[in-house]
Amino acid sequence: QQQVKQSPQSLIVQKGGISIINCAYENTAFDYFPWYQQFPGKGPALLIAIRPDVSEKKEGRFTISFNKSAKQFSLHIMDSQPGDSATYFCAAKGYNFNKFYFGSGTKLNVKP
Amino acid sequence: EAGVAQSPRYKIIEKRQSVAFWCNPISGHATLYWYQQILGQGPKLLIQFQNNGVVDDSQLPKDRFSAERLKGVDSTLKIQPAKLEDSAVYLCASSLQGPIYFGEGSWLTVV
Repeated sequence: QQQVKQSPQSLIVQKGGISIINCAYENTAFDYFPWYQQFPGKGPALLIAIRPDVSEKKEGRFTISFNKSAKQFSLHIMDSQPGDSATYFCAAKGYNFNKFYFGSGTKLNVKP
Repeated sequence: EAGVAQSPRYKIIEKRQSVAFWCNPISGHATLYWYQQILGQGPKLLIQFQNNGVVDDSQLPKDRFSAERLKGVDSTLKIQPAKLEDSAVYLCASSLQGPIYFGEGSWLTVV
């Protein structure tokens, strides 16, 4: 059973545009929702994260929107740049044992 | 603060051979994870340690994969015998509370 569903699988955005990646989760026993950015040949790196008692968190050009009732959260990248081209993974952490469930990833391509 | 260290970075082996990957987590991180990432997919948890005890190894193919975390610090993941479908990146990660931090990964090609 896939605990975290991510969409779209791939995304092409023009430079300066807004990139939006969505995730939905099924289990309510999650208490932490991070996003990871992965460049080719590298391990995933923590980008931004949110806890369920907050509806939005912004760090620079990156914003997480969180809808607890709908069990959905999304990543918005404002003013997207070619350097943002990477694969993005959402994740959810269970209350117990620090167990993380990952989405299937979104490959973002920002065209100059 | 030093990150998660993994070695080797790259390994090419023939099927039915064995391979071992080593991981040194961030100092003080009690939880250590091994993930398998096949190209184009998200990380799949193989095994999770809390200190030197196993929390979850439900997706570890135990007939060929083994992992240990001696003294609750370093960890080793072994594959024996390797199959073609084991070609993937093996990511080690660690956490204290909150986010997990990944290493650069060990790239395995089985030919």
